Amino acid sequence: AQSVAQPEDQVNVAEGNPLTVKCTYSVSGNPYLFWYVQYPNRGLQFLLKYITGDNLVKGSYGFEAEFNKSQTSFHLKKPSALVSDSALYFCAVREGSGNTPLVFGKGTRLSVIA
Amino acid sequence: DTEVTQTPKHLVMGMTNKKSLKCEQHMGHRAMYWYKQKAKKPPELMFVYSYEKLSINESVPSRFSPECPNSSLLNLHLHALQPEDSALYLCASSPWEGGVDTQYFGPGTRLTVL
Repeated sequence: AQSVAQPEDQVNVAEGNPLTVKCTYSVSGNPYLFWYVQYPNRGLQFLLKYITGDNLVKGSYGFEAEFNKSQTSFHLKKPSALVSDSALYFCAVREGSGNTPLVFGKGTRLSVIA
Repeated sequence: DTEVTQTPKHLVMGMTNKKSLKCEQHMGHRAMYWYKQKAKKPPELMFVYSYEKLSINESVPSRFSPECPNSSLLNLHLHALQPEDSALYLCASSPWEGGVDTQYFGPGTRLTVL
């Protein structure tokens, strides 16, 4: 069965500093990995996904994520955090192609402090 | 345009009421989803429709009844709900074209059951 772990409930970072939100996954086949962001009282917004190819994936709002097969990780990164990046971030995995259900991590709350 | 709309934004209902949530997308997507999200938790999949047919029902109680009148619309009919059903209900859609499908989420309906 597929699963996702987000080991940190909360990440605090100063504005202008780089940020990392961690995600590790477990699948038996090829992983397809996603990051979503949720602002208060809003739906989830798609940030980026990894399918295959380059291990560094670039997404919306200056975010990127690095796929590491040996460490089964897909950490979300941004070189310079903004206060407006403060939100809840979800990593999700789907095993194999097609339309098997997404499995979400528990979420990490990011707080960027001015 | 990657917009999924949901109405109403907020809904308060008693345990004996009947109400419906509505979701609409005009991206030509052929799959639509209902999720339930409790505060500070990840979304939980409830139902999946593909090509207007119910393809996944994650053992959801019968007091929740989904309906897909056409490929652009998805309803969730509510009857005899319990206070623990209070949550954010999210609708999503995806192309369902094979390969790695990205789900796009609506803003959600905040449901309170009294």
